[in-house]
This record gives sequence, C-alpha cells and structure tokens, in this order.
Amino acid sequence: QVTLKESGPALVKPTETLTLTCTVSEFSLSNARMGVTWIRQPPGKALEWLAHIFSNDDKSYRTSLKSRLTISMDTSKSQVVLTMTNMDPVDTATYFCARLMGMAAAWYFDFWGRGTLVTVSS
Amino acid sequence: SYELTQPPSVSVSPGQTASITCSGDKLGDKYACWYQQKPGQSPVLVIYQDSKRPSGIPERFSGSNSGDTATLTISGTQSMDEADYYCQAWDSSTAVFGGGTHLTVL
Repeated sequence: QVTLKESGPALVKPTETLTLTCTVSEFSLSNARMGVTWIRQPPGKALEWLAHIFSNDDKSYRTSLKSRLTISMDTSKSQVVLTMTNMDPVDTATYFCARLMGMAAAWYFDFWGRGTLVTVSS
Repeated sequence: SYELTQPPSVSVSPGQTASITCSGDKLGDKYACWYQQKPGQSPVLVIYQDSKRPSGIPERFSGSNSGDTATLTISGTQSMDEADYYCQAWDSSTAVFGGGTHLTVL
C-alpha cells in the first residue's frame, strides 16, 4: 500500500524557516513517471498547491511563493523535503504531501499523506 | 493567473443526483480532476483526467469537461458523500485548485 507521511515542526516563529519532510513507501522516487507534491490548506480554507518534484529533478513552484520555497528529493531515503523561508502567521496551515501521477498537463494526486498542522506564532 | 470557480455549496436529497461545477477559461482544453475531502481527513481523488475513476471509487461518481466548465456528477447520492469537493487543473506546470464546494445531503 502506497503511503506518504509528513513530518516537521508543529510550531514555528515568524521569520523562521520551515522544513517539512515527506517520507514515502511502497513506491520508488526514482520512478520517472511519479513525482511528489506539497499542498497546504489554511484552517477552514481551500487547498493550495505549493510545489512538485520528479526524479529527473524537474521542479515547479507556486508563482506567488517561488522566492520562499525550495523542494528537493533524496531517493536513497525515499524523502522529499520542502523548505519555506520567512514564515508568517498567514502560512498557518495543514501541509500535505501527495504522489503525483500521470503525464504532463494531465497529472493527478492519487495518494495523500495525513497532513501536518503548522502554526506560525511568536 | 488561472482561476477555477466553484459554487460554495450544493444541496441534494438522498438518492438524487448532485452536480458540482467548476468554471475556468477554456477549461475544456485542460484535464480536470476532482477530490473529495471529509472533515479532518486528507483529500481523496475521485475523478482524474476529466472522467476516469480511480480504483475503489464508486461508479456513482462521474465527470465531464467541455467549454469552460467541468462537472462532477454523483448519481444516487448517499449520506456518506457529504463532503467538500475540489476541482483541480494545470496551468502550464502549476496546479490550480478551485475554492471548493460543500455538498450537503439532506
């Protein structure tokens, strides 16, 4: 059974850098047909795509957050890491990672982690 | 930037057909996906590439996409289908989600 699990701090202070890790199992990050994405959801609000990465290091970022986001992959550890700099209270959200499947412009998120709630507060 | 618009809420009686729309400029030229999210849970993919159902998704879920509108249809709606539904499409290499629709079954 494919699983993804998010890990990281539950609380960060404003201006700090957030580092989140997504650990996957039962599929290989080396598979060129699969990628991993990060999506967040502020409390009571809609889903918001952040970034994705494929094994060939092809990456894409949300335009409005591009300057603050970095996504990377460690295939040996089956992990994808997302960093977000200069955290602000508006970044308080549940952060999900999900597997990306399909083909260009027709990708879909078929398996999701349970999500991790990150609160930004001093 | 590309935007997808969904009605905030839709109501349906049990056993009836629910239709949830998602509007975007020339959305029919893109592929649409739909995700179901119940309170406190992660989203679940229910439709991908406009009309395909993942394994394990009931046949009562179907999708279509043409012109500027994608539609998720739930036939014979059940109380367990009460949830938030999000449409999603790609604008170049960036994913865009709609604002979500809360489906009430009453």
